[in-house]
Parts: sequence; structure tokens; C-alpha cells
Amino acid sequence: EPEVTQTPSHQVTQMGQEVILRCVPISNHLYFYWYRQILGQKVEFLVSFYNNEISEKSEIFDDQFSVERPDGSNFTLKIRSTKLEDSAMYFCASMSGGELFFGEGSRLTVL
Amino acid sequence: KNQVEQSPQSLIILEGKNCTLQCNYTVSPFSNLRWYKQDTGRGPVSLTIMTFSENTKSNGRYTATLDADTKQSSLHITASQLSDSASYICVVSDTSGTYKYIFGTGTRLKVLA
Repeated sequence: EPEVTQTPSHQVTQMGQEVILRCVPISNHLYFYWYRQILGQKVEFLVSFYNNEISEKSEIFDDQFSVERPDGSNFTLKIRSTKLEDSAMYFCASMSGGELFFGEGSRLTVL
Repeated sequence: KNQVEQSPQSLIILEGKNCTLQCNYTVSPFSNLRWYKQDTGRGPVSLTIMTFSENTKSNGRYTATLDADTKQSSLHITASQLSDSASYICVVSDTSGTYKYIFGTGTRLKVLA
């Protein structure tokens, strides 16, 4: 069964460093999302992406964040200068027929 | 403001028992409501989706109900198993055309042997 894959599964970085989280959505899906979940808290929407551009973003998604679809398969989330509060699980999702399919997440730890 | 509230925040039950989780939402205009199961450290997995016209839908031991008038949904788990221990998240989407999903706070269920 097709699935959304994310890499890395866990990344530890120093505050101020740049981080790139990668996602391979399900191949025939057109809508892509990034969500964040701080430990013990609810899943929070970051950004949605359609037709090679951002369709919507939350107030969390500030200038430190960017997304790209550099080729036909990958969908990346970049954090330019990480802060301690960026430590969280980051989930990629792709959507088809109104159904969201989530990846297993990338755990980011900022020291 | 579009919001999704879930209760209880956490729940502990014995294996074999039934339980019911609640979801109240203020999302408008309403499109559909989903229940997701999220194992610790994993991505959410869809259990069921309810549209405006559906009142009840079952998926194995999971039964979801929807009352679009009162904007409430419930997820009933029958004959709980240890593997049901997880967070259960209610997600509501609107009809704004932007495929926006509003996540609830989740209910953490712990099933004990």
C-alpha cells in the first residue's frame, strides 16, 4: 500500500543551525501538508502546498520556515535557524479525495 | 473561531471494557469529521470519516457517531484491547475549498491488562 515516507526519523541539531526535513508523498497526490506536534500537545498546522506553491500557512510558519518541491517526488521543510522551541515531531501528509495520509514523522531535537 | 474540543483528556480502562470518546466542534461550514488513532511517536492513522449526512459508521470495534445539529461526535470502542492504547484525535474540515483541517486536542487512552 502506498505510504508517505519521511526522513530523517530523528535529528538532533544545535540552536541556530539549519535543518531540512524530507518527505516523499504518495505519488498521485496533489496536496501536501506539514504539521508539527510538540511533545504532549496537539497536532498543529504549519503549511499546505498545492500546484508548486503554498496555498495556506499558519502563524507558526514564519520567515524561518520554507517549503520546496525540488523534484517530482520530494517535499521538504526547511528551518533556517533553529530555536529551542522548534523541538517537536514534524509530520508530512498528502491528501487525496479529502483523506489525509500521514508519514511517521521526523523528531527534531534542538539543543 | 473554528475549534475542536475533545474529552476526556485521558482515560484508563481495563482490557475488554468499552469506552466512549467525545468531540465537540465549532467549525463552520462543516465538511467532514475524521477520527485518527496515533500511537506514541507515530503518525496519525485514519479510523473513520463522517460526512454531514452520516449519523453512524463502524470500523471493526470502532463506532463513530455524528450529530451535525449539536456539532458533536463520539468514538465508541468495544471490547478494548491492549493495542488500543493510543491517542485518538478528532479532525474536522470545512468547505472553504482550501482543504483546511482543524485538529482536536486528542484523548489519550490507556488500556490495562
